[in-house]
Amino acid sequence: EVQLVESGGTLVKPGGSLRLSCEASGFTFNTYSMNWFRQTPGKGLEWVSYISRSSSVLYHVDSVKGRFTISRDNAKNSLYLQMNSLRAEDTAVYYCARNIETAMGGADYWGRGTLVTVSS
Amino acid sequence: EIVLTQSPGTLSLSPGERATLSCRASQSVNFNYLAWYQQKPGQAPRLLISGASSRATGIPDRFSGSGSGTDFTLTISRLEPEDFAVYFCQQYGGSPPWTFGQGTKVDIK
Repeated sequence: EVQLVESGGTLVKPGGSLRLSCEASGFTFNTYSMNWFRQTPGKGLEWVSYISRSSSVLYHVDSVKGRFTISRDNAKNSLYLQMNSLRAEDTAVYYCARNIETAMGGADYWGRGTLVTVSS
Repeated sequence: EIVLTQSPGTLSLSPGERATLSCRASQSVNFNYLAWYQQKPGQAPRLLISGASSRATGIPDRFSGSGSGTDFTLTISRLEPEDFAVYFCQQYGGSPPWTFGQGTKVDIK
């Protein structure tokens, strides 16, 4: 059974940093690209970042470029999102998701999410 | 950036009825890479349909997707009690950003 478990979400002050983690199990992690998505009541669902199987291709949505970095450790079956210079508008539930096999950016399995709150 | 517009915002139906949800794109979706997800309160999205019409693993055949180019439809042939949820469409596969519609809520009439 595919399982994705996020951790690291918490309350952080504007300008602060946070690192989200996602531990994967139930599939061969290094054969799948991965994504981070986020969701807020106001903006709905938003794709945030994508990383290819070997980390050779990285994409981030414009609103987080230069502030967030996606990475992975295939030996640890883990995905990460380093979040710097956090803003109030980054407040959201962040989901780790396995990329669909056929094309970038779709997701066939999602974790339960971790809540990031940016507030003073 | 491709903007996806879903309609209606809310669909009020009874169990056993047919649900038809629409997703319209501001420009043609690359290779019809259009996905539909179901989300229930407090849960993560669940993939229902990819490539506009391919059901994901384990998805009942009462769910079907159709369409191409800029107009896509998700149909639930006969609503079961567990189908009352929010449904999102997403375009993927072309150049990022990969975007979502704002969602259609299917609730019990």
